[in-house]
Amino acid sequence: SYELTQPPSVSVSPGQTASITCSGEKLGYKYTCWYQQKPGQSPVLVIYQDTKRPSGIPERFSGSNSGNTATLTISGTQAMDEADYYCQAWNNTTTSVFGTGTKVTVL
Amino acid sequence: EVQLVQSGAEVRKPGESLKISCKGSGHNFASFWIGWVRQMPGKGLEWMGIIDPSDSDTIYSPSFQGQVTISVDKSIGTAYLQWSSLKASDTAMYYCARLWIDPWGLGSYFDHWGQGTLVTVSS
Repeated sequence: SYELTQPPSVSVSPGQTASITCSGEKLGYKYTCWYQQKPGQSPVLVIYQDTKRPSGIPERFSGSNSGNTATLTISGTQAMDEADYYCQAWNNTTTSVFGTGTKVTVL
Repeated sequence: EVQLVQSGAEVRKPGESLKISCKGSGHNFASFWIGWVRQMPGKGLEWMGIIDPSDSDTIYSPSFQGQVTISVDKSIGTAYLQWSSLKASDTAMYYCARLWIDPWGLGSYFDHWGQGTLVTVSS
């Protein structure tokens, strides 16, 4: 079965850049999206189609996807960005999978 | 405003059955697939399956095929997730979400989520 692997945790200082990777076989050939989940809340879509931001998502969130790795970048990280982040991609045309998840800590 | 409102928390014993719901509003319910996602305590998100409300076409993750049943009643704009015999390992938060399918084939993603239903299975 298809797997998406993320680092368990990423730490970043306020105002700095956080990069979260998502690795999967030939992931660059698939469209990837990213979700943010804060404690006790439902996930929220922050990036879709590799690079696009939904309405209301700050510009500091950006995405890229190439080769076997997709990356979510948070520029100028703020305390409110502390959350779990999950990538998602379709392993074929009908079923999908989430990444293992990354906890972002703003120190 | 698109909303998905899920039924309340449930506590059941092992072996019991359960059906939880997800009611959509603010959009043409029949035009968007609905998906279900499991999150076990302290763990990540797991893609369970999706259903097309227009014709009840359902696709399950291999991990959940035969373990749960996804259904829909489009006349009342509600999707369901059910178990015939719960296990302690079914204890989790379950989310429903609306699936946006790009008409140009540029990927699909969950653009709106329900608030979650906590299912606790304990003897």
